[in-house]
Amino acid sequence: AQSVTQPDIHITVSEGASLELRCNYSYGATPYLFWYVQSPGQGLQLLLKYFSGDTLVQGIKGFEAEFKRSQSSFNLRKPSVHWSDAAEYFCAVGARAAGNKLTFGGGTRVLVKP
Amino acid sequence: ETGVTQTPRHLVMGMTNKKSLKCEQHLGHNAMYWYKQSAKKPLELMFVYNFKEQTENNSVPSRFSPECPNSSHLFLHLHTLQPEDSALYLCASSHGTGDGETQYFGPGTRLLVL
Repeated sequence: AQSVTQPDIHITVSEGASLELRCNYSYGATPYLFWYVQSPGQGLQLLLKYFSGDTLVQGIKGFEAEFKRSQSSFNLRKPSVHWSDAAEYFCAVGARAAGNKLTFGGGTRVLVKP
Repeated sequence: ETGVTQTPRHLVMGMTNKKSLKCEQHLGHNAMYWYKQSAKKPLELMFVYNFKEQTENNSVPSRFSPECPNSSHLFLHLHTLQPEDSALYLCASSHGTGDGETQYFGPGTRLLVL
C-alpha cells in the first residue's frame, strides 16, 4: 500500500519570501501525485497534480512542484508568498489502477508573517 | 449553485441520535467520495461510489451508512455515533475513478458528537 509523509507540521514564512513544502511518498511504481490546499472552514482545493511526463508541474496561484523519482519526493514551491497563502497544504498519492483512491499526508500548516 | 455542496455545515448530535449528511455535486461527475478529517490525523477515505454503485468501503463501522441515489447526490446516515466520530466530513466528486482523476471537494460538515 502507498503512504505519504509530510515531515513539517508547521512552517512560518515571511510575506514575499520563498516557500517549499516537503512531501515524500512510498509506492512500488510510479504514482500519481497531488497537492491540495485547505483554507480555514473550506474544503480542499487542487493546486496541481503529476500524472506523467514533465516532472516539473505548474499549478494555480503561482505554485509548482517537482517529481523526483530517485528521492520519492514531490515538493511544492512558491517563489514569493502572499498573506493569502496561509492555509494547510496536503500532499496525496494515488496508486495506478486502484479506483482513484488517494492516500493523504498529514498536512503542513503555513503561517505567513507580515 | 456550482461545485460540490454539503449540508449541514455544522452538526451537533448525541450518541443516540440519527442524522444524515448530504452532499450534492453540480459538475456532472459520476464518482463520489466520503472522507473523514480528524484532528491530528490524515484525511481518511471512507467510501467511494461510481455510477451509484459502492466500489470502496474502507473498513468503516456500520454506524456510518452511505447512500447514493444518483450520481449527483450522496448521503451519509449516522446513528449511535461515538465521541471519537467527531470530525470534519468531506465529500468529493470526480468524473470517474480512473487514474489521476481530479477530486473536487465540498466545504465539509463539522460534526460534534456529545
